[in-house]
Amino acid sequence: SQTIHQWPATLVQPVGSPLSLECTVEGTSNPNLYWYRQAAGRGLQLLFYSVGIGQISSEVPQNLSASRPQDRQFILSSKKLLLSDSGFYLCAWEWQLGNTIYFGEGSWLTVV
Amino acid sequence: GQSLEQPSEVTAVEGAIVQINCTYQTSGFYGLSWYQQHDGGAPTFLSYNALDGLEETGRFSSFLSRSDSYGYLLLQELQMKDSASYFCAVTLYNNNDMRFGAGTRLTVKP
Repeated sequence: SQTIHQWPATLVQPVGSPLSLECTVEGTSNPNLYWYRQAAGRGLQLLFYSVGIGQISSEVPQNLSASRPQDRQFILSSKKLLLSDSGFYLCAWEWQLGNTIYFGEGSWLTVV
Repeated sequence: GQSLEQPSEVTAVEGAIVQINCTYQTSGFYGLSWYQQHDGGAPTFLSYNALDGLEETGRFSSFLSRSDSYGYLLLQELQMKDSASYFCAVTLYNNNDMRFGAGTRLTVKP
């Protein structure tokens, strides 16, 4: 069966510090991968999606970036965090375009 | 633009039936999905409609009508544990991504 993991689960970072969230998928190959952000009590905002290694599409201009160095690895990064980057970050995978997507456990980021 | 509209809050009592609607203004899409999210947790998949009609999964059912740009999630025999946020979502043909509604907060009362 397929599983998705992301880490760390929670982190508190000062403004201006870097960020790296990692996500891996097991049990499938060439999945579509996604990064979403959810502000407290709000809906899900798509940040990045990837249909293959090295292929990243960005939905919103911001100080975040994503990379896919391996087929089942998706990384969300920032060089300098802003207070507004605080939120719940969710990685997700999809076996085939148009199918449903499945989320990782999420990472709570608080920028102070 | 492309958007999905759903009520922000719904309240119901234990044992009742509740319907959460999702209307959309979007171009072609593959199917309509529903997710449940408890406070502090990640969304979990509930149901998917690729075609028009009703899909039933235990106490949960989902419906889609593409001609009416409308879908709903039906929860029967409500339990306290069903208190959560529910999101509808679509994957668009012209974008390789899934778009979510703002979510409906369901509160189940004794």
